[in-house]
Amino acid sequence: QVQLVESGGGVVQPGRSLRLSCAASGFTFSSYGMHWVRQAPGKGLEWVAVISYDGSNKYYADSVKGRFTISRDNSKNTLYLQMNSLRAEDTAVYYCAKVSWGRAVNGAFDIWGQGTMVTVSS
Amino acid sequence: DIVMTQSPDSLAVSLGERATINCKSSQSVLYSSNNKNYLAWYQQKPGQPPKLLIYWASTRESGVPDRFTGSGSGTDFTLTISSLQAEDVALYYCQQYYSTPYTFGQGTKLEIK
Repeated sequence: QVQLVESGGGVVQPGRSLRLSCAASGFTFSSYGMHWVRQAPGKGLEWVAVISYDGSNKYYADSVKGRFTISRDNSKNTLYLQMNSLRAEDTAVYYCAKVSWGRAVNGAFDIWGQGTMVTVSS
Repeated sequence: DIVMTQSPDSLAVSLGERATINCKSSQSVLYSSNNKNYLAWYQQKPGQPPKLLIYWASTRESGVPDRFTGSGSGTDFTLTISSLQAEDVALYYCQQYYSTPYTFGQGTKLEIK
């Protein structure tokens, strides 16, 4: 079945780095844009970044621009989020999500992973 | 950035009654070239990821019960649950995917009265 599985979360000190992964299965990964969305404890959803189906286009929320990098390896059906210079306010559950249609980046998010928790604390 | 504002923040409705959640965008999310509203609704239950309910403002995702209906255009949108069931207790979010950043509303908590 169609599935996204995130990994790589954990506890990290402020200023350090972490790389999240999202393994996709059950669909043609290389045909869809992919997003990262985060949710701080007890808070709402915040869009983080998107990458086009072929990796040629990437967009970021202002809150992470210059610190986070989204990438993908279509040969491995895997999406990544490299997070540098982490701050306490980056503490959240990080979800990867699939764009619902075609090769667009601007589509609804029809498949979500279960999320991976990132805690930034000294 | 497009700001999405939901109302109310919380809502208590009796089983079998109608629930209505509103979402207003700070600018139009209607794309004139294809006449589509770039607006989605999601349901999130505790400890679970969000689930897509509605896209293009009014198209129900496959498998979503027909008691869920999305409506509206431009800047004003509504999610209606025609007859509330116990399993509908959740947080509901609207989201625009018209332009980056793809912003979400603050969420509406739906409970049983």
